[in-house]
Amino acid sequence: EIVLTQSPGTLSLSPGERATLSCRASQSVSSSYLAWYQQKRGQAPRLLIYGASSRATGIPDRFSGSGSGTDFTLTISRLEPEDFAVYYCQQYGSSLETFGQGTKVEIK
Amino acid sequence: QVQLVQSGAEVKKPGASVKVSCKASGYTFTSYGISWVRQAPGQGLEWMGWISAYNGNTNYAQKLQGRVTVTTDTSTSTAYMELRSLRSDDTAVYYCARDWRSYCNYLDYWGQGTLVTVSS
Repeated sequence: EIVLTQSPGTLSLSPGERATLSCRASQSVSSSYLAWYQQKRGQAPRLLIYGASSRATGIPDRFSGSGSGTDFTLTISRLEPEDFAVYYCQQYGSSLETFGQGTKVEIK
Repeated sequence: QVQLVQSGAEVKKPGASVKVSCKASGYTFTSYGISWVRQAPGQGLEWMGWISAYNGNTNYAQKLQGRVTVTTDTSTSTAYMELRSLRSDDTAVYYCARDWRSYCNYLDYWGQGTLVTVSS
């Protein structure tokens, strides 16, 4: 089973700042099978990025994904008030899927 | 529009079983899979298992293998997740999600979640 480790656990930033979230895999993951999700309190997760770098429908272009192999990054170029939430990476490989433990982006 | 509507909250005793349903609408049910994901209070997301609505193939998380079964009823576009031998640490919100597995993989639509509480 591939383990995804996200860092940092919590990111304290102000609106307008840039957020950089990391997702590291215990073994190589195909870029096609790496996705990112946003979850706000009391809500179901929302798909942001799939295929490591493709934005899902309706996702603003301030969200971008990059990376390959074992290291992937989600970047939010300028934080809007609605972006403060928890973010998860997720991978699919060998017929199994796993999530990272999440990064909370909080208002500084 | 695509919707996944789950059954209501459940309270179960340790050792019992629970079956949660997820009714899909707004798309061709057999063109996608369904994954089940759970979230314990204050914790992260845990993938539980997947089923192809096309042919019924399943995959399960190793941790839950033997205790969880996911099924579908294509006549009603409904997926089900049954978890047996419930323990207190199975208390969580359970989500179903439409799962695309092909040249890439993603969970693009989610149900509203079903709270399952395990308590004596």
